[in-house]
Amino acid sequence: GAVVSQHPSWVICKSGTSVKIECRSLDFQATTMFWYRQFPKQSLMLMATSNEGSKATYEQGVEKDKFLINHASLTLSTLTVTSAHPEDSSFYICSGADQETQYFGPGTRLLVL
Amino acid sequence: LAKTTQPISMDSYEGQEVNITCSHNNIATNDYITWYQQFPSQGPRFIIQGYKTKVTNEVASLFIPADRKSSTLSLPRVSLSDTAVYYCLVGDRTLVFGKGTRLSVIA
Repeated sequence: GAVVSQHPSWVICKSGTSVKIECRSLDFQATTMFWYRQFPKQSLMLMATSNEGSKATYEQGVEKDKFLINHASLTLSTLTVTSAHPEDSSFYICSGADQETQYFGPGTRLLVL
Repeated sequence: LAKTTQPISMDSYEGQEVNITCSHNNIATNDYITWYQQFPSQGPRFIIQGYKTKVTNEVASLFIPADRKSSTLSLPRVSLSDTAVYYCLVGDRTLVFGKGTRLSVIA
């Protein structure tokens, strides 16, 4: 199957700093990429959908100025958590769509102190 | 977006066949049915996808009746390493995750 990578796999940062997470589709071109967030013992929650070369579409309740998404190429999307706070601590997962199928990255664990 | 309903949890002994059924009464014409497996602290892993009838790959089978309002994931001869959460999703692009089914395989 298609492979999606994320970097970093985990990050610890101080409150108020910004953190960038990269998502890459390694062996396919992803016109559309998705960003999810997962809290402990819960399911994945879709945060935003990004199409290459255009602005991301955010789900209701997700602050677009706090979670900046850039999808500059068909193989790379980035999520920047700006001015991170402890409540932003979570497991962030991206996916890339290859036609009808989404393939997920391994996730990035963010801990904000 | 179609909603799905699946059992919250299931238990099985090693070596048994496990069938997890998912209901998706409001599935749209363009929607595919996709199943994922997730282990703790990992991203969901693609298992199988289908549109109608039966699909089989090296790890599972997916049975879809003619009305497409439900689907059944069949895992043959499960092992302890199959203990995970299994998600059934329907959609043509955007996927909305339900709570999934927590499968526990017992020795």
